[in-house]
Amino acid sequence: KAGVTQTPRYLIKTRGQQVTLSCSPISGHRSVSWYQQTPGQGLQFLFEYFSETQRNKGNFPGRFSGRQFSNSRSEMNVSTLELGDSALYLCASSDSKMDRTRELFFGEGSRLTVL
Amino acid sequence: GQQVMQIPQYQHVQEGEDFTTYCNSSTTLSNIQWYKQRPGGHPVFLIQLVKSGEVKKQKRLTFQFGEAKKNSSLHITATQTTDVGTYFCAGPRSNYQLIWGAGTKLIIKP
Repeated sequence: KAGVTQTPRYLIKTRGQQVTLSCSPISGHRSVSWYQQTPGQGLQFLFEYFSETQRNKGNFPGRFSGRQFSNSRSEMNVSTLELGDSALYLCASSDSKMDRTRELFFGEGSRLTVL
Repeated sequence: GQQVMQIPQYQHVQEGEDFTTYCNSSTTLSNIQWYKQRPGGHPVFLIQLVKSGEVKKQKRLTFQFGEAKKNSSLHITATQTTDVGTYFCAGPRSNYQLIWGAGTKLIIKP
């Protein structure tokens, strides 16, 4: 089975621009979560999508948004980029069911640098 | 709100010494998961503990889940350079979202 694929792997943007990151989950996984990780920091939860619906949301401003398509692929968008948005953005998929949490399978991440 | 505290933040050990990281939750957890992130890499799932008092071993790694299901630990015996990385614990909220500890970075002293 192919793993979680994130694109692009690296990107550089300037303040005020917007960015879209893509995530293809493991085949059959309907849950996709997004995390932000800054140097020396833990994993900050952005949001989770399950069957095209946002099921959970973290404490990030509205500039951070996401969506999930019918094939479970997901995108996240950050508008009006700020310097502090420079981070590794990780996508994780799971075959989460409604009755319990399952382990997450992470992609390699998209490293965003905002200049 | 619900929190998962993980200590220590860093641990420096000589190769061959043991390493332990601890997780404490403010509430009872239905299960707890452990992940490892190598430098420059992404988190990789290690194990999930579900039962009260559960102990599981993976070679040199021993995972424990407390009797009250509010704390957990990961112990590595005789660390090797391949063990370097950050170890995270995570437990679920009632809505299935995972709450993550801040991670413990294992550093092997040269």
